[in-house]
Amino acid sequence: DQQVKQNSPSLSVQEGRISILNCDYTNSMFDYFLWYKKYPAEGPTFLISISSIKDKNEDGRFTVFLNKSAKHLSLHIVPSQPGDSAVYFCAAGISSGSARQLTFGSGTQLTVLP
Amino acid sequence: GAVVSQHPSWVICKSGTSVKIECRSLDFQATTMFWYRQFPKQSLMLMATSNEGSKATYEQGVEKDKFLINHASLTLSTLTVTSAHPEDSSFYICSARPGQAAYSPLHFGNGTRLTVT
Repeated sequence: DQQVKQNSPSLSVQEGRISILNCDYTNSMFDYFLWYKKYPAEGPTFLISISSIKDKNEDGRFTVFLNKSAKHLSLHIVPSQPGDSAVYFCAAGISSGSARQLTFGSGTQLTVLP
Repeated sequence: GAVVSQHPSWVICKSGTSVKIECRSLDFQATTMFWYRQFPKQSLMLMATSNEGSKATYEQGVEKDKFLINHASLTLSTLTVTSAHPEDSSFYICSARPGQAAYSPLHFGNGTRLTVT
């Protein structure tokens, strides 16, 4: 039972354009969401997060949007740069949980073409 | 920022031997650490939650006798893959949360690529 889904395994975008990565979740108990970036043979690096009390959070070129009614979140990267090419994982958590572990989606490989 | 160090970054071992992977929080104390496993082109799957001073909590389907976890101090958790077999070959990643705030993110180590021959 995949509680966090990233339906697009890959995405290619031209440098300078906007990259939009999508994520859906099924567990209504999730109340915070995160995006991680991962290069091959490395651990994930935290990018940006959003709590369920917000619908948008922005940090430089990265903006995360949350639509709770649709159980959907997205990561916008603008402008996209070749160095952004990596696998992006969305993750969700329950802040009141005893361990507060994260549940990850399957990832989207973003390729930014120069 | 918070740093999680994982060692070794890669290891090759023979079938039947045991391998220990270390995870350290370098600039913060972590009462809880998480061990994930990633198969090629797949998601990060939580294996177990490591608790300092008490037993680890394993996810369903993860053999606790095969994947031994020890969290002996507030900065160190170890994962030992016992009697490794080729199907245990994978990318193992540990993580910890430096802050106590409800929404503080997990920080990850760089992972360990285990190859069992």
